[in-house]
Amino acid sequence: DAKTTQPTSMDCAEGRAANLPCNHSTISGNEYVYWYRQIHSQGPQYIIHGLKNNETNEMASLIITEDRKSSTLILPHATLRDTAVYYCIVLNYGGSQGNLIFGKGTKLSVKP
Amino acid sequence: NAGVTQTPKFQVLKTGQSMTLQCAQDMNHEYMSWYRQDPGMGLRLIHYSVGAGITDQGEVPNGYNVSRSTTEDFPLRLLSAAPSQTSVYFCASSFGTEQFFGPGTRLTVL
Repeated sequence: DAKTTQPTSMDCAEGRAANLPCNHSTISGNEYVYWYRQIHSQGPQYIIHGLKNNETNEMASLIITEDRKSSTLILPHATLRDTAVYYCIVLNYGGSQGNLIFGKGTKLSVKP
Repeated sequence: NAGVTQTPKFQVLKTGQSMTLQCAQDMNHEYMSWYRQDPGMGLRLIHYSVGAGITDQGEVPNGYNVSRSTTEDFPLRLLSAAPSQTSVYFCASSFGTEQFFGPGTRLTVL
């Protein structure tokens, strides 16, 4: 599975959009981009995933560049409860669902 | 649904002791897995199972055993605890896209 690169930390003002970038320059054609987050001391929580089209759900939007080498997770109106570590993971959908490879992620701090 | 449950929440062991971390899910998911998370690190896969009677090793399997006799349960056994196994352990289950994680077990080995 391709490796991802994320900034170590980011700050965001409450109520503003949080844009979390992820580089995955070695992604292959059958690999999906997944985002999970981990709020302090809790188990990770699935946010969203996509292949090449932009995706949106009730939690976030995922923008994937046309060449698929990078993506951005957007939390449109960040709240204090969105403070967490966000993990960008690339995974072959046809592979084992258990083999999520977690890097260190981006620690997002939402400030009042 | 209770989702994924883990017991105990906290555990302290002495070096050399053995114990079993329990994981159960009530979503009828075929896929279950165990991860460990050390301070400041991401999660690392220990073992996983694609269904009852089938298990396989992940990235860091040494010192741990698993079995899957039912769809619901996936216990993780520490054979002889070592201080290096001090960590937070998360169990997860999935069917398709999304993995559901339990609340974790915090294990300290003295």
